[in-house]
Amino acid sequence: DGGITQSPKYLFRKEGQNVTLSCEQNLNHDAMYWYRQDPGQGLRLIYYSQIVNDFQKGDIAEGYSVSREKKESFPLTVTSAQKNPTAFYLCASRTRQLGDQPQHFGDGTRLSIL
Amino acid sequence: AQSVTQLDSHVSVSEGTPVLLRCNYSSSYSPSLFWYVQHPNKGLQLLLKYTSAATLVKGINGFEAEFKKSETSFHLTKPSAHMSDAAEYFCVVSYYNNNDMRFGAGTRLTVKP
Repeated sequence: DGGITQSPKYLFRKEGQNVTLSCEQNLNHDAMYWYRQDPGQGLRLIYYSQIVNDFQKGDIAEGYSVSREKKESFPLTVTSAQKNPTAFYLCASRTRQLGDQPQHFGDGTRLSIL
Repeated sequence: AQSVTQLDSHVSVSEGTPVLLRCNYSSSYSPSLFWYVQHPNKGLQLLLKYTSAATLVKGINGFEAEFKKSETSFHLTKPSAHMSDAAEYFCVVSYYNNNDMRFGAGTRLTVKP
């Protein structure tokens, strides 16, 4: 089955540590996205990428970094500069063909501070 | 700039009664509109989408939504709520050319037995 796989499902970070969240898709989608979700709030865009080797900052990019070396993969690194990283992180992808298509989402990674 | 407002943060209904989740959008262009559902600790699942075809859109699990340009609304409805409908629902507005998708803050639907 085609879809988006996020791993791990739960992740714990120590103070001063960088952690990387994985996102892989086998939908052959061009565009990929990272969102942060806090309790009782909607989704806020961290970074997005429309093609390989290119990405743009979203609304809350500070303290995060990404790479897009392969079409299928869009990992997110939460750096030590992100002072409040505890949240639910969602990865999404969508095709850029056939007009304005919806995003497909992974099942998320929940990040907590030790 | 485009934005989306979900008018209710929490809606509570009894099983078997109708569901209405309200969404208003602001867009300078003809938008695409989507409704998603999220169950606890899960990703978002697409319920339905409007992309300038028929104004009444039918989705999965008996949900439907009507695009009303004059009211800039895209409310989600279901004739009869089921216990499994209890979840968080998000309205999303999108404009294709600028790759800008905006999410509402969400509406939590509670279904009472």
